[in-house]
Amino acid sequence: LAKTTQPISMDSYEGQEVNITCSHNNIATNDYITWYQQFPSQGPRFIIQGYKTKVTNEVASLFIPADRKSSTLSLPRVSLSDTAVYYCLVLLTGANNLFFGTGTRLTVIP
Amino acid sequence: DGGITQSPKYLFRKEGQNVTLSCEQNLNHDAMYWYRQDPGQGLRLIYYSQIVNDFQKGDIAEGYSVSREKKESFPLTVTSAQKNPTAFYLCASSNRDRVERTEAFFGQGTRLTVV
Repeated sequence: LAKTTQPISMDSYEGQEVNITCSHNNIATNDYITWYQQFPSQGPRFIIQGYKTKVTNEVASLFIPADRKSSTLSLPRVSLSDTAVYYCLVLLTGANNLFFGTGTRLTVIP
Repeated sequence: DGGITQSPKYLFRKEGQNVTLSCEQNLNHDAMYWYRQDPGQGLRLIYYSQIVNDFQKGDIAEGYSVSREKKESFPLTVTSAQKNPTAFYLCASSNRDRVERTEAFFGQGTRLTVV
């Protein structure tokens, strides 16, 4: 499984766009990049997944460059309720052993 | 509604006791997982199971045991051999049938405290 590296923490003011970058130098051809969000005392929840270029949904955008060795989760106009830990995972489609790292703790400041 | 349910939400254990945490899913998922989370830390994989009657150790399996007798159920036993069991335990399941993605669904967690 590809190892991922993320910043441990980030702070942002309310209303700003937040970009969290994840490095995954050993990503394999069939690996997908997936991001999860976790609030305190809750289980993580799926945010977005992509393979290449750009993916956008109602919550976030995911940017993946051509070499796929990194990815950036973009949260538009964050609010206080976006304060959470964000995890980047790289996993093979259909893989059944999901390894989470330490994630990035995002704190949104009023 | 389909989902994954953990019980109990809070659990207290005396030192030397074994306790079992319940995890049930009605999503028809093949794969199930148990994670441990300590305060301010990420998730660490304890055990996972890809199919009934089969399971594999994760990073921190020592002091834990699991069973997978039914597709819907994946209970975790924290044994007396686990020296520091106080933590937040999360169960998850995932669907391995979809080609385009693997998405894990998590329960609400069980907070275990040794008293």
